[in-house]
Formats: sequence, C-alpha cells, structure tokens
Amino acid sequence: GAVVSQHPSRVICKSGTSVKIECRSLDFQATTMFWYRQFPKKSLMLMATSNEGSKATYEQGVEKDKFLINHASLTLSTLTVTSAHPEDSSFYICSARLVNEKLFFGSGTQLSVL
Amino acid sequence: GENVEQHPSTLSVQEGDSAVIKCTYSDSASNYFPWYKQELGKRPQLIIDIRSNVGEKKDQRIAVTLNKTAKHFSLHITETQPEDSAVYFCAASKRNTPLVFGKGTRLSVIA
Repeated sequence: GAVVSQHPSRVICKSGTSVKIECRSLDFQATTMFWYRQFPKKSLMLMATSNEGSKATYEQGVEKDKFLINHASLTLSTLTVTSAHPEDSSFYICSARLVNEKLFFGSGTQLSVL
Repeated sequence: GENVEQHPSTLSVQEGDSAVIKCTYSDSASNYFPWYKQELGKRPQLIIDIRSNVGEKKDQRIAVTLNKTAKHFSLHITETQPEDSAVYFCAASKRNTPLVFGKGTRLSVIA
C-alpha cells in the first residue's frame, strides 16, 4: 500500500499556542488529502478536505479560522490548530487518496492542550 | 449526504469462529466500500474493499459482500485469531467525495 507520513506523533502544548501537523505522501502524489479527528473509542470524524493549490473544504461545524489547512504541494498538507484550548485535545489523523480511490492514513497526532 | 450505519458496536468470538460485521448506507450512488482495521493507538489500515460492480470479494480469511439493492455490505472473518482483535470500520463513498465511516465495531477474539 501507499505510505503516508504524519508528524509529530504527539504534541503537548500550553493553551493559546498554535500547533502545526504535517502530512506527507511519500511514494505517490496526492491532489486530495483529508483531515480527520478521532475521540477515544469513537469513529473518524472528517474535518476538511485539502486540495492541492486551492482552499480546503471544511465540514459543517469545523472552524476554518481555527483549523488552518494548507496543501502547497502534491505531497504535503499541513493542519495548524491555532490558539489551541483543552477542548481541542484529540487524535488528529490525515489521509491521502490514490487515483483508484483507496485511502491511506497517516500515523496520527495525539494533541494534548494543557 | 451519505449515512453509514454499522453493527454490532462490539463483538466477541472464540478463536477459530467466524465474525460478521454489517453496514448499511443511504446513498444509492455510492460505489466504493472499504473496510479498515484499527489497532489501539495506531492508524486505520485498509484490509479489503469492494466496488459496486462486484457482489463479493475474498482475500484469504477475509471476505466482503455487497447487496446494492438492499444497500448493505458485510465483512466476514473466518478462523479468527487473537491478532484479529481490533476496531473495524466500514465506509462508503461515491467518486471524488470523501469516505463516510461507520461508528466502528470492537472485535475481541478470545483464545
């Protein structure tokens, strides 16, 4: 399968700071990447669709000014959680889709906001 | 939009027995149905997928069936082993739209 790399794997930060998470497709080009949020023992909640060279499409209820997404190249998408607060603590996971529609996930980032 | 329902939420089976997880979807235009396995603290891994032009697909101990008329699809795991214990997610999508996931099934295989 395709390889999607995500960094960092774990972040602990103070309330009010911003955190950037990187998602890279290592062996293929991804015009579209997806960002999900997962709470403990819960399903994957789609936050936004990241499109290379254009603005991200956010799901209803997701604040675009809080969760900034940039997809500047065919292999890199970044999610920046701005002014993080404890309620933003969660497992964030990115994914990239191949042309045959198969979706591969990054290893996830556990964000803890103190 | 698409809505995917998944049952059961938890499933316990004895080692060697079969496990079946069922999902239903709402959008008849959906044509791609993957299944993911997620172990604790790890990324979801694609284990098998099926497209709407196929009714059944098998890969060793894992099989998926699709009933387009009824809009449901199922995952079958035979001869279960302890390492099959994980959370399994079904999903559905149509071309160029994001996958919509079910809520997951926690499978426990008891040795």
